[in-house]
Amino acid sequence: KNQVEQSPQSLIILEGKNCTLQCNYTVSPFSNLRWYKQDTGRGPVSLTIMTFSENTKSNGRYTATLDADTKQSSLHITASQLSDSASYICVVSANTDKLIFGTGTRLQVFP
Amino acid sequence: NAGVTQTPKFQVLKTGQSMTLQCAQDMNHEYMSWYRQDPGMGLRLIHYSVGAGITDQGEVPNGYNVSRSTTEDFPLRLLSAAPSQTSVYFCASSQLATDTQYFGPGTRLTVL
Repeated sequence: KNQVEQSPQSLIILEGKNCTLQCNYTVSPFSNLRWYKQDTGRGPVSLTIMTFSENTKSNGRYTATLDADTKQSSLHITASQLSDSASYICVVSANTDKLIFGTGTRLQVFP
Repeated sequence: NAGVTQTPKFQVLKTGQSMTLQCAQDMNHEYMSWYRQDPGMGLRLIHYSVGAGITDQGEVPNGYNVSRSTTEDFPLRLLSAAPSQTSVYFCASSQLATDTQYFGPGTRLTVL
């Protein structure tokens, strides 16, 4: 069964600290993996999209990694800011054009 | 360029009522989709469309209808609202199904 699992479910960090969010998937055949940021009360916004051949992609302070062999991805946030408080959703696309969504990690950054 | 717009932002319905959630995009995207988001669950696909005149069912289509008469608009109709349809609804668009999707701001629906 195609699944995307994210951990941790929630995370609290202090402003300025780094953090890493995890995404494990069992989607086959794999097409691409995306990370979205969803602020409270808003729709998700794309951070990165990675294909099978890419193992690292950055977007400002956000760096996503992909290990297609172990079917794991991580999203690393550097020098967190209060505005990073949001839910982060991992989405894996199968070659059948089907998107499988993770349930997200809720990140709270405190001053 | 407004992106993806959704109306209304909030809606309260009584069981059995019908209504239409509006979605429009101005990016000339072919692919449009509707999702519902419930606490503790990932976004679930309700219906999608790969172009004007073409619609198909997603993961949780029961109780919902869609149509795609133009490239820009993709309304979602609730035929007879039920409390189980209380949720936040998101419309999204992209050029292709596997491209990055652009989401609207969502409609928070409560069915009493």
